Amino acid sequence: GQQLNQSPQSMFIQEGEDVSMNCTSSSIFNTWLWYKQDPGEGPVLLIALYKAGELTSNGRLTAQFGITRKDSFLNISASIPSDVGIYFCALIQGAQKLVFGQGTRLTINP
Amino acid sequence: DGGITQSPKYLFRKEGQNVTLSCEQNLNHDAMYWYRQDPGQGLRLIYYSQIVNDFQKGDIAEGYSVSREKKESFPLTVTSAQKNPTAFYLCASSAVSYEQYFGPGTRLTVT
Repeated sequence: GQQLNQSPQSMFIQEGEDVSMNCTSSSIFNTWLWYKQDPGEGPVLLIALYKAGELTSNGRLTAQFGITRKDSFLNISASIPSDVGIYFCALIQGAQKLVFGQGTRLTINP
Repeated sequence: DGGITQSPKYLFRKEGQNVTLSCEQNLNHDAMYWYRQDPGQGLRLIYYSQIVNDFQKGDIAEGYSVSREKKESFPLTVTSAQKNPTAFYLCASSAVSYEQYFGPGTRLTVT
């Protein structure tokens, strides 16, 4: 099956710091999605990327679809306590099936 | 308010019993999905349905069954054949844009 590697697995930062995480795939895909999951809740879609090289922002979040179409990164600027959670990247693999990365767990020290 | 509802939030069952998890959406989405999430893991696809009265197996369908009799509803039955049923179950739906939207999840504990 499709290999999707997400890193880092966890991050411990101070409030106000910037955050960067990324995902790489073993094949070329046309869509990258980034989700955030709070404990005990369903994932919430943050950003969707549909075009190689595309750079999209959503408030303090910025995501880019790599030019090779095999990678994507998510940046969070000036982190705040409510940014705590698990961030997942996902690819669409035929027939609208999503393949998820293993997640990046973000912890913020106030 | 448009969205996806899953009930109940927590479910406890004895080993050997079948249990059905509910998923309803009022987003008018054609496609619906069921995922399983284990602690510290990503989401794995169990079943999906792109249209009423049709569904396909995902990556881990063994021990599960679904039905799609109405556009709004996609219930998942965890059967006694599922060897390790304790997990967090998530339902999602999507329109043709491929962006999937998730419900709040049901945490199933089987003892």
